[in-house]
Formats: sequence, structure tokens, C-alpha cells
Amino acid sequence: KAGVTQTPRYLIKTRGQQVTLSCSPISGHRSVSWYQQTPGQGLQFLFEYFSETQRNKGNFPGRFSGRQFSNSRSEMNVSTLELGDSALYLCASSLDAGLDEQYFGPGTRLTVT
Amino acid sequence: QKEVEQDPGPLSVPEGAIVSLNCTYSNSAFQYFMWYRQYSRKGPELLMYTYSSGNKEDGRFTAQVDKSSKYISLFIRDSQPSDSATYLCAIRYSGAGSYQLTFGKGTKLSVIP
Repeated sequence: KAGVTQTPRYLIKTRGQQVTLSCSPISGHRSVSWYQQTPGQGLQFLFEYFSETQRNKGNFPGRFSGRQFSNSRSEMNVSTLELGDSALYLCASSLDAGLDEQYFGPGTRLTVT
Repeated sequence: QKEVEQDPGPLSVPEGAIVSLNCTYSNSAFQYFMWYRQYSRKGPELLMYTYSSGNKEDGRFTAQVDKSSKYISLFIRDSQPSDSATYLCAIRYSGAGSYQLTFGKGTKLSVIP
């Protein structure tokens, strides 16, 4: 069974731009969660989607948004990029909502200049 | 006080040693305890999870939870060079219809042949 895939793997953007990251979960998984990982703050929960609905949200500003499609694929959008948004963005999928037994993708490395 | 504290290391041990990795947490509402392993340039991989106080064993790995002390541990027996990675504890709490997953910042482990 194929794992979680994320595209693109690397991205360089300029401050003020917006970016969209994509995540394809493991086949049959209906829950997708997004995380930001930085050396300073570690791994932080952004939000969780299940059956196209946002189930939970972490403590991030409204510039961070996401959505989930009927095939469980998910996208995350960051608008008005700031230098501090440079991070590894990880997507994880699981069978059901609840953030249990998640399988992570390899991440998208975003650099904001 | 951060919700989850984890010594970042780095921790360096000889092959065959017993490794002890630890986290402390502050919120007694935390219910679900996990350990993830993250290799360089990869997403985290779930190693073990448990709900209850006590020990849970899986091969060379033992997860221990002490809810009275708000302390969790991961022990690795007969450590191998392939165990060299960053280990993250993760704790989930549920309450008032929502839940959150909080990660420690990770301990970087090197097992020297």
C-alpha cells in the first residue's frame, strides 16, 4: 500500500506571497492532519480534516488554512508568507479522526526569503 | 511551563546499550501517550502508543507511563546503529468535545557501532 505523499517536496517563496501544499493520504484513510516542524518550536499541530470537515485546529493565525476533498486528499494554504513560516510542513493520515495512529508523509520544506 | 518537556540531547550510546528517553507533561487531562521516531529528512513514524499507566512492550522497545508523576519513558534494549534517529513523545488530551496532540521537541539519539 502506498504511503502518504506530499507535493512539492521543496519550495522557495518570497515574503508576502501565498503557497498551497498538497497531501494524498494512504488509500482508505479518511483523516488528514497538518503539522509545522521548526528547530525552535518542534512539531506543532495545525489542523485536522475528516470527511471534508475541519475537526480540530491548533494555535496558528488565520493565514493558515486548509481543505479536504471528497477523495480525502487535502491541501494547505498559507497566505501573506512571513520569514517565520519557513519550516517543514508535514501531513499525516489515519483511518479515523482523533489523531491516533497517524502515518506521516515526508513533508514539504518551505523556505521564505 | 511548557505542556510537554523533552530533553533534546543529543544522546550518544554504544551499540548494545539500553537507552532511556523521557518526557514530562503538565496537563493531567492528557490521556493518550505516543512515541514517534524520525529519521533525518523523513516524516515521523509511530513506534508505540498507550492509554494507561504501566509498561507496554514491543520487541526491543518498552513504553512506560507514570500518570501520578506525569512522566513517560521509552526504553530501547540492545540498541542498534539503525536506531539512530530523533525520538519524539506525543501526548493527546480530550476534553469538551475537542482534542489536541502536543509533541515534545525530540531527543536526538546516536548509537555508535
